[in-house]
Amino acid sequence: GAVVSQHPSWVICKSGTSVKIECRSLDFQATTMFWYRQFPKQSLMLMATSNEGSKATYEQGVEKDKFLINHASLTLSTLTVTSAHPEDSSFYICSAGQGYVYGYTFGSGTRLTVV
Amino acid sequence: TQLLEQSPQFLSIQEGENLTVYCNSSSVFSSLQWYRQEPGEGPVLLVTVVTGGEVKKLKRLTFQFGDARKDSSLHITAAQPGDTGLYLCAGARGSARQLTFGSGTQLTVLP
Repeated sequence: GAVVSQHPSWVICKSGTSVKIECRSLDFQATTMFWYRQFPKQSLMLMATSNEGSKATYEQGVEKDKFLINHASLTLSTLTVTSAHPEDSSFYICSAGQGYVYGYTFGSGTRLTVV
Repeated sequence: TQLLEQSPQFLSIQEGENLTVYCNSSSVFSSLQWYRQEPGEGPVLLVTVVTGGEVKKLKRLTFQFGDARKDSSLHITAAQPGDTGLYLCAGARGSARQLTFGSGTQLTVLP
């Protein structure tokens, strides 16, 4: 089955620094990947749609200059949280797949803590 | 306002009991998916329903898509502690690739 690998699993960084999270599709090509944010005991909120070879599409309210998304190949999308602040601390999850009929595979998530 | 409302939000039951989780919306969805998520992990796809009125069974889990494709339910028979987790419904509207997630149901099955 489709496998999506996400790294790192967790990261702690200081305020003001940037953090990069990688999302890889291991056994299939993904022209589209999705990035979500999840707060404790809450559901997933879509942040942006990552498109291979073009700009990402951000959801309303998501700062594109703060959450930089790069999808340079068919198997890799990265999310960079720039100038991180404590309020950016959250669980970030990526997904990719065969579309809404066949379902999506999610990465294992990245727990970001900004201190 | 959540586009997909799940109920109940929290559910704690004893092993062996049955339960139903509901996912409701005023919008029509092309498809609806159910996921289960454990702490510190990404959601795992359980099932996708596409046709109005469709019923799918996965061992002790029964999924139903409403006739109007606006709602869905997940029924678990004889729940086990291993069923504990956050259950999420997610829908796709029209030809959109993005999923809209429901508010989630945290299920705890006590031994």
